[in-house]
Formats: sequence, structure tokens, C-alpha cells
Amino acid sequence: DAKTTQPNSMESNEEEPVHLPCNHSTISGTDYIHWYRQLPSQGPEYVIHGLTSNVNNRMASLAIAEDRKSSTLILHRATLRDAAVYYCILREIYGGATNKLIFGTGTLLAVQP
Amino acid sequence: DAGVIQSPRHEVTEMGQEVTLRCKPISGHDYLFWYRQTMMRGLELLIYFNNNVPIDDSGMPEDRFSAKMPNASFSTLKIQPSEPRDSAVYFCASSSRTGSSDQPQHFGDGTRLSIL
Repeated sequence: DAKTTQPNSMESNEEEPVHLPCNHSTISGTDYIHWYRQLPSQGPEYVIHGLTSNVNNRMASLAIAEDRKSSTLILHRATLRDAAVYYCILREIYGGATNKLIFGTGTLLAVQP
Repeated sequence: DAGVIQSPRHEVTEMGQEVTLRCKPISGHDYLFWYRQTMMRGLELLIYFNNNVPIDDSGMPEDRFSAKMPNASFSTLKIQPSEPRDSAVYFCASSSRTGSSDQPQHFGDGTRLSIL
């Protein structure tokens, strides 16, 4: 499976934008880029995913580099509730039931008031 | 809509006892996953089901662990006998059409298991 690399931790101030990077230099043309986050004492929560084009939803935006070797999760205005571990995960488009979610160590985001 | 429901939220028991963790997936979801999370190993997939049938149990640590899904709305993960190294947070997740990789998994809040 292609691997992802994320910083161990990042800090942000409340109401400021946050850019969480992810490197995936060995990504294949058939890998989706998924982001999940895990708030304290909760299970992981889906945030967003994309393939080639940038994506927006109510939670965040996903910016994907043209060569797809990196991506950035953007939280437009961080709130205290966004403090969590953020996971960047690659998932093969094909493969049916074999394409599992494999969680790495993620980025621990701290948000300061 | 109700999400994935796990019970109990916390379980403390003594080594050697049988432990049963329960999960109710989101209605209509046909895939169910059991994960374990520890500080040392992070989040690991233990087993998953499709239409109540176990598909891949390669992550189950050993024979002391077993999982069942008797119907579409209920699954159990059992540890017998339990050992202190089984202490972890166990998550259940469900998804629809996971054969399509753009479908997200929806996780419960987990069961925090402590084996003394």
C-alpha cells in the first residue's frame, strides 16, 4: 500500500485558517485521498476525500497537488472543537472489499483560544 | 439519524474473564468493521463483515478473539479468556458499498476495555 507522511503535530489559533499537509509520493493513479479526524474520546470521523480535483464540503477543503504527490486539508476557520488527530489515508479505487482503511499516526492539531 | 452504537462504553474486568463487546451498525449499511486502538499500535483493523458474512479476519490477534454478526443490525466481538494486553479501545464502524472506495466509514464512540 502507498504510504502517507504527516507532521506529528501542529498548532493553530482559533478563527484562523489551518493547512494540514500530507505527502504521498508513491501514490498510484487509482488511489483516492481520504481524510479522517479523531476528536478526544471519540471514534474517527470522515472529513473529506478526493481523487484529482480540489474538493470542498461543509467541514473542510482538500487541495491536491497537480502531480498528486501531496495534498493539504484546509480548515477555513479553526474552532476549539477542531482540536483532533487528523489522518490522511490512501484508498485504492478498485479491489472491492480488500481496500481497507489503514490509519497511520496522523497529525495532532492543537487549537489555541 | 442514529449513528453506530457500541456498548458498553467502558468495561473493566479481571484477567481470564470472558468479555463481549456489542455493536449496532447504521441501518442499511452492509459492511461492518471492528478496530482496536492502542498507544503502541494505533488503529488496527481486526475483522470485517459484508452482509453478515466475515470477509477478512486476518487482523484478529489470536484464537481468543472471535466475532459474529447474527443479523444485519447486530455484531459482537468476544475475547475469551481475556488478558491484560487486550486492554485497548475497540471501535466498530459501518459503511455501505465499501466495494466503492469513495464510501466513508462511520465509527461508533468505542468501548474502552481494561483487563486487570
